[in-house]
Amino acid sequence: EAQVTQNPRYLITVTGKKLTVTCSQNMNHEYMSWYRQDPGLGLRQIYYSMNVEVTDKGDVPEGYKVSRKEKRNFPLILESPSPNQTSLYFCASSLLSPGGSSYEQYFGPGTRLTVT
Amino acid sequence: KQEVTQIPAALSVPEGENLVLNCSFTDSAIYNLQWFRQDPGKGLTSLLLIQSSQREQTSGRLNASLDKSSGRSTLYIAASQPGDSATYLCAVQSRGFGNEKLTFGTGTRLTIIP
Repeated sequence: EAQVTQNPRYLITVTGKKLTVTCSQNMNHEYMSWYRQDPGLGLRQIYYSMNVEVTDKGDVPEGYKVSRKEKRNFPLILESPSPNQTSLYFCASSLLSPGGSSYEQYFGPGTRLTVT
Repeated sequence: KQEVTQIPAALSVPEGENLVLNCSFTDSAIYNLQWFRQDPGKGLTSLLLIQSSQREQTSGRLNASLDKSSGRSTLYIAASQPGDSATYLCAVQSRGFGNEKLTFGTGTRLTIIP
């Protein structure tokens, strides 16, 4: 089954304790991205990757890191989480056309993170 | 900078009625527009994708239209059912340099009243 998986689905942590949220897709997609969703603000892009070893900042990258060492995986790293990073996080993936536009984006089930 | 607006934020309609959800965007230089459905506590499910060269797409009881020149899209739901209750999000993929990101609206929360 084609899917994007995220782990963990729920996480409660304390300020400053490093954590990683994993994202994996089995569709051989080039493009992967992380979003956070906050009430009243909608989904905002954190980081994206056009292919292996190619990553760049989205709209709200502060406090986050990513890596893309394999095509299928795109982990989100919070080196020193703070309460303002409490949010619902989504990973997404899609194919990329030769012209640069992408196809339909597929989303993971989300990770609800609470930082106290 | 692309901005996407969805009005109203919430909508309640009786079961069986047809309804229209609205989405507007500020920059017409887009690759495509995508409509998603989000159930409480769940991820996003893609409903319809309209390429910038297309005017509409249909899937079952859903029909999405795109008017790029006016910066508008609508999602038409026919014969609404209680199972259609969810938040509907539209997202625009804008032409840019290297970032094929989606810009999302804040959604319309739809409630179908049995």
